[in-house]
Amino acid sequence: SQTIHQWPATLVQPVGSPLSLECTVEGTSNPNLYWYRQAAGRGLQLLFYSVGIGQISSEVPQNLSASRPQDRQFILSSKKLLLSDSGFYLCAHNPTAGGGYTFGSGTRLTVV
Amino acid sequence: GQQLNQSPQSMFIQEGEDVSMNCTSSSIFNTWLWYKQEPGEGPVLLIALYKAGELTSNGRLTAQFGITRKDSFLNISASIPSDVGIYFCAGPRNKVIFGPGTSLSVIP
Repeated sequence: SQTIHQWPATLVQPVGSPLSLECTVEGTSNPNLYWYRQAAGRGLQLLFYSVGIGQISSEVPQNLSASRPQDRQFILSSKKLLLSDSGFYLCAHNPTAGGGYTFGSGTRLTVV
Repeated sequence: GQQLNQSPQSMFIQEGEDVSMNCTSSSIFNTWLWYKQEPGEGPVLLIALYKAGELTSNGRLTAQFGITRKDSFLNISASIPSDVGIYFCAGPRNKVIFGPGTSLSVIP
């Protein structure tokens, strides 16, 4: 079966510190992978998506970057965090074409 | 860009009441998806609809694909406290588009 893992579950980081969030998928190959951010428990904002190794599309300009070093690994990074980077970060993949996404359990990031 | 609208934005209901919420779009979708997100968790797919007019149930949840293909409805019967969460509608394009969500609170 397909599963998606995210870690860490929670993270408190000071302003100006670097960030690395990792997402891995099991049970599938060549998945489309997505990073979303959710602020204040509401709408899902698509940040990045990737259709293959080394292929990253950015949806909105921001302080974050993404990388896909391996087929089933998707990493969200920042060199210097801002207060506005706080939020709930979700990784997702789409198991079936034309269908919905399966989400990871999320990372709650608080920048202080 | 393409947007989905959901109403109501939030609901506070008594346990046992039925719930209705809807999702609308200015453009046609061929698939409608309904997700539920519980506090501190990622959204989970509840129901997928693939055909205009389709009515699909999942336990106490029933969703309908509007005949215009521009809307969808989700009903929850006899609500219970564990129904609390944010309900998102979504429609796939080259990427899945999510609505802003309906926040549901159930008062025991």
